[in-house]
Amino acid sequence: SQTIHQWPATLVQPVGSPLSLECTVEGTSNPNLYWYRQAAGRGLQLLFYSVGIGQISSEVPQNLSASRPQDRQFILSSKKLLLSDSGFYLCAWSVQGLTGYTFGSGTRLTVV
Amino acid sequence: GESVGLHLPTLSVQEGDNSIINCAYSNSASDYFIWYKQESGKGPQFIIDIRSNMDKRQGQRVTVLLNKTVKHLSLQIAATQPGDSAVYFCAVIYNFNKFYFGSGTKLNVKP
Repeated sequence: SQTIHQWPATLVQPVGSPLSLECTVEGTSNPNLYWYRQAAGRGLQLLFYSVGIGQISSEVPQNLSASRPQDRQFILSSKKLLLSDSGFYLCAWSVQGLTGYTFGSGTRLTVV
Repeated sequence: GESVGLHLPTLSVQEGDNSIINCAYSNSASDYFIWYKQESGKGPQFIIDIRSNMDKRQGQRVTVLLNKTVKHLSLQIAATQPGDSAVYFCAVIYNFNKFYFGSGTKLNVKP
């Protein structure tokens, strides 16, 4: 069966420090992968999505970047974190044309 | 792009009553819709979905209704239980690649 792993679960980082959040999917090939951010009490904002290795689409301009070095690996990064980067980050996957958009368990990032 | 909204930010219902959560979307080309349930501190969990060629779909205690004419989606929960308390999001997808979420409705179930 397909599973999605996201880590770490919580992270506290100082302003100006780098960030690397990792997401991996098991049990499927060539998934579409997504990064979302959820601010407290708000909805989910699509940050990046990828339809294949090295293919990244950015939805909003921001202080973050994404990479897909392997088929089932999606990484969210920042060179220098801002206070406004705090939030709940969710990775998700899907197979194009099919149902089953599944989310990871999320990473709670607090920038201090 | 897509603009997705919800009619109510919070909804309080009595245990055993039916709940209706609404969602409006703007892109008439949207072809797939999902309702998610999110409990505090967790990722969203899939509840039920519907494709644009349907107007109603039923699951266990849940029903999703789609009105493409007015671009409106609703989730109905029958006999609401305390375990149903959570935030509910609608997701609107087009081209089966990009999906957008409403801001969420918090459902409070009173015992």
